[in-house]
Amino acid sequence: GENVEQHPSTLSVQEGDSAVIKCTYSDSASNYFPWYKQELGKGPQLIIDIRSNVGEKKDQRIAVTLNKTAKHFSLHITETQPEDSAVYFCAASLSGNQFYFGTGTSLTVIP
Amino acid sequence: SAVISQKPSRDICQRGTSLTIQCQVDSQVTMMFWYRQQPGQSLTLIATANQGSEATYESGFVIDKFPISRPNLTFSTLTVSNMSPEDSSIYLCSVLTGGNQPQHFGDGTRLSIL
Repeated sequence: GENVEQHPSTLSVQEGDSAVIKCTYSDSASNYFPWYKQELGKGPQLIIDIRSNVGEKKDQRIAVTLNKTAKHFSLHITETQPEDSAVYFCAASLSGNQFYFGTGTSLTVIP
Repeated sequence: SAVISQKPSRDICQRGTSLTIQCQVDSQVTMMFWYRQQPGQSLTLIATANQGSEATYESGFVIDKFPISRPNLTFSTLTVSNMSPEDSSIYLCSVLTGGNQPQHFGDGTRLSIL
């Protein structure tokens, strides 16, 4: 089955700096890659997603890039703010019904 | 996106008892899932809740321990049976609104067993 690895497990950045979280996947058939943000006491919330026919997608300060050849995708957060502090999960989906989640990255933005 | 309500949001239970968690969605969805999340860990799929039939369980999870119901397209329950301290975790309901769409999650049930 699919295996998703996520790095780093923890990340601290100064407010205003950029943060990058990387994920790799094993199954080249995976074609959908969402990113989730989980704040304390809440469930994971979708923040951005990308499909395999696209190399990059951007939504304001958040962007995701996908390299199908290398089988990795990354989340980029620019101009980080304290409210960006949370745990971030990547995921990969083959069929659209089954999702494989990364192990999570705890991001801390230092004011 | 779908609005998902999970009840209870948290509970403290005695060893050996059972607890039923409810998941209500504000619109009909194609699929519903139940996950477990240990503190500081990732999401582990327990089962897919199938409407009108038995749930599909992942390896390591069995129906006797985690019975699941899904009587219609907007509601599901997960029961954690004969609880032990190892069952202390966050239990999350998620839904799919269509093929190749993102999963949407409820806020979870934080369960502690004494």
